[in-house]
Amino acid sequence: DIQMTQSPSFVSSSIGDRVTITCQASQGFYNWLAWYQQKPGKAPKLLIYAASTLQSGVPSRFSGSGSGTEFTLTISSLQPEDVATYFCQQATIFPPTFGGGTKVEIK
Amino acid sequence: QVQLMQSGAEVRKPGASVNISCKALGYMFTSYYVHWVRQAPGQGLQWMGMINPSGGSTDYAQQFQGRVTMTSDTSTSTVYMELRRLRSEDTAVYYCARGTDGYNFDYWGQGTLGTVSS
Repeated sequence: DIQMTQSPSFVSSSIGDRVTITCQASQGFYNWLAWYQQKPGKAPKLLIYAASTLQSGVPSRFSGSGSGTEFTLTISSLQPEDVATYFCQQATIFPPTFGGGTKVEIK
Repeated sequence: QVQLMQSGAEVRKPGASVNISCKALGYMFTSYYVHWVRQAPGQGLQWMGMINPSGGSTDYAQQFQGRVTMTSDTSTSTVYMELRRLRSEDTAVYYCARGTDGYNFDYWGQGTLGTVSS
């Protein structure tokens, strides 16, 4: 199975800050990498797929990039409603696997 | 709109089985795979398996082989996930999710808490 490693595991930033989360895969694949946002007590929500394509309705302050083994999720200007845990997931090789999550909080 | 509606919380004793349902609304049921993902308390996401509602073919994660069965009922647009020989480590929130473009999960159920306790 492909192991997905996220860093950092915790981020505390101020409103308006740029936040970057990294996801590293144990083996390379093209760009079928997804990012999910999960708020406490709620189901995950798809934010980005194919590494950089924003899901419909997701604010443009979210962006994704990368390919191969290194991927990033960027929040360009952190907002209060972005407080959540973010998970990456490789979406191309069976079985699909998730990163351990990055918890984002407001400082 | 697309919705996945899951059955309610369950409590089981170790060794028992649990069956969780996931009813699909607002889209063509047989056109999309349905996946099951679980999340232990305070932990990350773990993919369990998937079913193609059109025909009923399944694929399961290795660690659940022999303990899980996923089925679908096209007459009610409902998918079921049965997990057997439960142990305390199976305590988790179980989610169904619609699969699209490979293993992207674009819609999720609300989650079903399954508690295994003696």
